Amino acid sequence: DAKTTQPTSMDCAEGRAANLPCNHSTISGNEYVYWYRQIHSQGPQYIIHGLKNNETNEMASLIITEDRKSSTLILPHATLRDTAVYYCIVREETSGSRLTFGEGTQLTVNP
Amino acid sequence: DTAVSQTPKYLVTQMGNDKSIKCEQNLGHDTMYWYKQDSKKFLKIMFSYNNKELIINETVPNRFSPKSPDKAHLNLHINSLELGDSAVYFCASSRDGTGGNTIYFGEGSWLTVV
Repeated sequence: DAKTTQPTSMDCAEGRAANLPCNHSTISGNEYVYWYRQIHSQGPQYIIHGLKNNETNEMASLIITEDRKSSTLILPHATLRDTAVYYCIVREETSGSRLTFGEGTQLTVNP
Repeated sequence: DTAVSQTPKYLVTQMGNDKSIKCEQNLGHDTMYWYKQDSKKFLKIMFSYNNKELIINETVPNRFSPKSPDKAHLNLHINSLELGDSAVYFCASSRDGTGGNTIYFGEGSWLTVV
């Protein structure tokens, strides 16, 4: 699986959009970009994933650059409950593929 | 109606004991996983089963033995527990093992070996 690079930590004001970047310059054509988050002492929570196109769901939006070498997770209106570690993961399309977690970005939403 | 449920949530045991962590999913998924999160917070895959068949087996000591009685259950049995086995163990499942299908995690089982 391709390696991802994320900032170690970010801060965001409550009510503002949180934009979390991720670099995956070695991504191949059959690899998905996944985002998960882990709130302290809880299991990893799925947020969103995409292959080539931008995606949006009730939690967030995923913007993937045209060359697919980077992506941005957008939480449109961050709340205090969005404080968590956010993981950007590249995952192969093939059977038997896994999620390989890195260190992620610690997002802190401030009041 | 938790999708992926694990028991026990907390487990404290002595070195040398044998213990099991149970996992059940009610999502109708074919693939289940065990992940381990150590004290440094790194999440690493241990095992994956698809329809009761082992498909991923990372470099895990053979004291760890997963057992899948049916595709809705994947239990983790650990023999001769060591201090270094203290960690949070997460069970997960997905529709199948392909990359386009989301993996959903349980809430974790906190194992402390003393």
